[in-house]
Amino acid sequence: GQQVMQIPQYQHVQEGEDFTTYCNSSTTLSNIQWYKQRPGGHPVFLIQLVKSGEVKKQKRLTFQFGEAKKNSSLHITATQTTDVGTYFCAGDSNSGYALNFGKGTSLLVTP
Amino acid sequence: DTEVTQTPKHLVMGMTNKKSLKCEQHMGHRAMYWYKQKAKKPPELMFVYSYEKLSINESVPSRFSPECPNSSLLNLHLHALQPEDSALYLCASSQDDRNEQFFGPGTRLTVL
Repeated sequence: GQQVMQIPQYQHVQEGEDFTTYCNSSTTLSNIQWYKQRPGGHPVFLIQLVKSGEVKKQKRLTFQFGEAKKNSSLHITATQTTDVGTYFCAGDSNSGYALNFGKGTSLLVTP
Repeated sequence: DTEVTQTPKHLVMGMTNKKSLKCEQHMGHRAMYWYKQKAKKPPELMFVYSYEKLSINESVPSRFSPECPNSSLLNLHLHALQPEDSALYLCASSQDDRNEQFFGPGTRLTVL
């Protein structure tokens, strides 16, 4: 079945440093979604990418979808302590409603 | 109203108890989901309801029984659970397939 691999598992940065998390799928995705979960919280939708090669920006966050629609990345420029949390990618393989979540990247930002 | 609500927030139950988790959304979403999440793990899909019909059951044990009384409500009935079922149970909804999912705050379940 479809698998979505996400790396790294953990990342510890100093405030102001950049951060990137990567997702790779074993199959072509119809779209990929990104969620953020704060410690003790629930996943919150960040963005959905649909088109091959798509790039979207939200303030300091940049999301990319690969040309083959099998990989994606989330890059945060100049991290802040408010960026702390676990970032999940979730791929939709066009099989219906089931999203396949990556294992997540836990980001810790120290001031 | 752009939120998904879940009750209760916390639940402690014995292995012989019967309890229910409740989820509600008033965004007019036609798909609703139950996920189970263990600590430091991603959400694990359990069930999907689409237009009030069960469309996906990810081989979940029968001690978990979902119910969708109407388009705004989703229940998860629990019976004879095991300690390993202790987890955060998340409800989510989406407008339709392949749209973003809105998650509720979850019910933190402990089975003794």
